[in-house]
Amino acid sequence: DGGITQSPKYLFRKEGQNVTLSCEQNLNHDAMYWYRQDPGQGLRLIYYSQIVNDFQKGDIAEGYSVSREKKESFPLTVTSAQKNPTAFYLCASSFPGLSTPDTQYFGPGTRLTVL
Amino acid sequence: AQKITQTQPGMFVQEKEAVTLDCTYDTSDQSYGLFWYKQPSSGEMIFLIYQGSYDEQNATEGRYSLNFQKARKSANLVISASQLGDSAMYFCAMRELFSGGYNKLIFGAGTRLAVHP
Repeated sequence: DGGITQSPKYLFRKEGQNVTLSCEQNLNHDAMYWYRQDPGQGLRLIYYSQIVNDFQKGDIAEGYSVSREKKESFPLTVTSAQKNPTAFYLCASSFPGLSTPDTQYFGPGTRLTVL
Repeated sequence: AQKITQTQPGMFVQEKEAVTLDCTYDTSDQSYGLFWYKQPSSGEMIFLIYQGSYDEQNATEGRYSLNFQKARKSANLVISASQLGDSAMYFCAMRELFSGGYNKLIFGAGTRLAVHP
């Protein structure tokens, strides 16, 4: 079955540590995205990537970094520079095209808690 | 800037009844897309339905339909014959075109739907 996987499901981080969240997709989608969700709120875009080795900052990129070395993978690193990293992180992918709605499909999410 | 507004923080509906979740949007673009997603308590975002700005018919997907009123800039989700499993958060989102041809989604704050037996 095609889909998007995220790991781990739960992650605990001590202050000052960097942590990396994994996102893998086997949908053959070109575009991948990272969103952050805080309690009772909608999603906000952190980073996105349309092709391998290219990515762009979203609305709240400060304190985060990404890489896109393979089409299937788009890991997100939450650095110690991110002041309030406790949140739910969702990865998504889509197949952009002139005749497609470019629907984004989401993974199950990673819940990050800073201790 | 584009914006999505969901004015209902919470809604209640009796099982087997229909419910409408409101969504209004603001954009100056002529071409745009509107999406509805469901988020159960487990957290994953499940795509429900899509409406393109040039689509003349309202979108339907099973028990879900989108009441698209372009002049009013509204894209309300209608769930018919509610089921207990429909209890979840529902998010309305709009596709925004970035420079360079990239798309991103702008999300509303969501509506929590509770279906009562």
